[in-house]
Amino acid sequence: DGGITQSPKYLFRKEGQNVTLSCEQNLNHDAMYWYRQDPGQGLRLIYYSQIVNDFQKGDIAEGYSVSREKKESFPLTVTSAQKNPTAFYLCASSIDPMRGTEAFFGQGTRLTVV
Amino acid sequence: RKEVEQDPGPFNVPEGATVAFNCTYSNSASQSFFWYRQDCRKEPKLLMSVYSSGNEDGRFTAQLNRASQYISLLIRDSKLSDSATYLCVVILTPGYSSASKIIFGSGTRLSIRP
Repeated sequence: DGGITQSPKYLFRKEGQNVTLSCEQNLNHDAMYWYRQDPGQGLRLIYYSQIVNDFQKGDIAEGYSVSREKKESFPLTVTSAQKNPTAFYLCASSIDPMRGTEAFFGQGTRLTVV
Repeated sequence: RKEVEQDPGPFNVPEGATVAFNCTYSNSASQSFFWYRQDCRKEPKLLMSVYSSGNEDGRFTAQLNRASQYISLLIRDSKLSDSATYLCVVILTPGYSSASKIIFGSGTRLSIRP
């Protein structure tokens, strides 16, 4: 079955540590996105990528980094520079957003800093 | 000003009521529009696309007004299962060679009571 897989579902991190969230899709989608959602709030765009080896900063990129070495994969690293990293992280992909195709989401990773 | 704005609610209405959600977007270059539904602690899922001509799917009707930069969603004969957060979504492509951004509103929470 095609879809987007995020792992792990729950992640605990000590303050000051970097952590990488995985996002893999087998939908052959070109575009991939990372969002952050805080309790009771909407989704805020962290980074997005239209093609391999290219990505752009979203609205809240500070303290995060990404790579897009393969079409299927778009991992997000939460660095120690991110001051308030505890949140629900959602990865999405879209076949062709320029033509108005919708985004499909993974099930999310809940990151907690302890 | 936020790129996509929604009334955060919450809306608390009785079963069978008609509910209307509104959303405005600030960038006139926005190309495509959607409504997503998000259940508690789950990923967002596509509810319906939004077209200038309006579109209907059962009890749900979506409308786009490009001149006013306004999107609406109407739910008729609401059911208990409609309780969720409804997210307005806009796709924006800044330039021909630019990647497309998928931007979410903050969401409107809906609770249907028996």
